[in-house]
Amino acid sequence: GAVVSQHPSRVICKSGTSVKIECRSLDFQATTMFWYRQFPKKSLMLMATSNEGSKATYEQGVEKDKFLINHASLTLSTLTVTSAHPEDSSFYICSARDQGGFSNSPLHFGNGTRLTVT
Amino acid sequence: AQSVTQLDSHVSVSEGTPVLLRCNYSSSYSPSLFWYVQHPNKGLQLLLKYTSAATLVKGINGFEAEFKKSETSFHLTKPSAHMSDAAEYFCVVYSGGYQKVTFGIGTKLQVIP
Repeated sequence: GAVVSQHPSRVICKSGTSVKIECRSLDFQATTMFWYRQFPKKSLMLMATSNEGSKATYEQGVEKDKFLINHASLTLSTLTVTSAHPEDSSFYICSARDQGGFSNSPLHFGNGTRLTVT
Repeated sequence: AQSVTQLDSHVSVSEGTPVLLRCNYSSSYSPSLFWYVQHPNKGLQLLLKYTSAATLVKGINGFEAEFKKSETSFHLTKPSAHMSDAAEYFCVVYSGGYQKVTFGIGTKLQVIP
């Protein structure tokens, strides 16, 4: 089955530094990947839609200069949290859909990244 | 407009007893419906999906769900709970292609030995 690999699974960083999270589709190509943030005891909040070869589309309220998204190839999207602050501590999850699939084919999720900013 | 309501934020069952996790939806389009499971600090794993074929859908790990259009429901069931089923479950609706995806708030399933 389709596999999405997300790295790192856990990261601890100091306030003010930047952290890069990678999302790779291992056995399929994805023109579009999605980045979510999950707060404790909450559902997933879509942050942005990452489009290969073009700018990401950010949801309302998400700071594009703080959460930089790059989708340089059909199998890799990266999310960089810039100048991280403790309030950015959260669980970040990416997902992708096999571009060869039907329009209602399911999303495949990475295992998430637990970010802790100290 | 599109929405998903998971009626229970927390469900507790004894091992070996049936599981029922409830999900109601609303959508202006013909929706595709999915159930995902999330174990602690993990991503979401697809359990099963409904995409306008058979209304009773069988998934992995013995789970199944029935799409009932008249009740706008897509409840998840399992005849006999196992300890490994303890996790959080999300009901998800797609419509208009994957561009419109709505997650339920999640139901945490506790299995008591």
